[in-house]
Amino acid sequence: DAGITQSPRHKVTETGTPVTLRCHQTENHRYMYWYRQDPGHGLRLIHYSYGVKDTDKGEVSDGYSVSRSKTEDFLLTLESATSSQTSVYFCAISESRTSGETQYFGPGTRLLVL
Amino acid sequence: AQRVTQPEKLLSVFKGAPVELKCNYSYSGSPELFWYVQYSRQRLQLLLRHISRESIKGFTADLNKGETSFHLKKPFAQEEDSAMYYCALSRRAAGNKLTFGGGTRVLVKP
Repeated sequence: DAGITQSPRHKVTETGTPVTLRCHQTENHRYMYWYRQDPGHGLRLIHYSYGVKDTDKGEVSDGYSVSRSKTEDFLLTLESATSSQTSVYFCAISESRTSGETQYFGPGTRLLVL
Repeated sequence: AQRVTQPEKLLSVFKGAPVELKCNYSYSGSPELFWYVQYSRQRLQLLLRHISRESIKGFTADLNKGETSFHLKKPFAQEEDSAMYYCALSRRAAGNKLTFGGGTRVLVKP
């Protein structure tokens, strides 16, 4: 596995509370992505980053924010968690932004919002 | 906007039988197509991509631009092929962002 870790791996939280998920990589890849995985929807891109302090929105960014202050860390924050954000969250990295480049995925974080 | 459709949520086949996972896409430009696989308790990983035109673990996929399809095939399924399979697309004009289909779960029975 590529050197990608996610923390926490599992989290249960209550509606309205803030939650931060962390993705850490040791590959020194410039490009990082956050996806959510839901049955029937596959994976959907939430936010992505092309470098330190360089982030942009994906397909389903409402209710989420991200930060990248170091190459190795990409944080996903749910400012005020809702039940609709119950999902499995995957981080991915790639060496370049060239279309066709392989993305390497982390192990995922399972989030339950009660 | 681009879209990837995997019409089968579940495919159940017997070991040794052929398996075909369907993937259709909608995109007017030149897409890059991929198949990613997630085995039980493992990470999502790339299985193959159309630009490589390679066969991985006995799987092949051909991009048919006329039918806008990228079906995944294997002539003889093995029990270890049981997994979740996702078809994905990236647009050359939009960097490496992936659009995934809803996924197909493959169950290979002994």
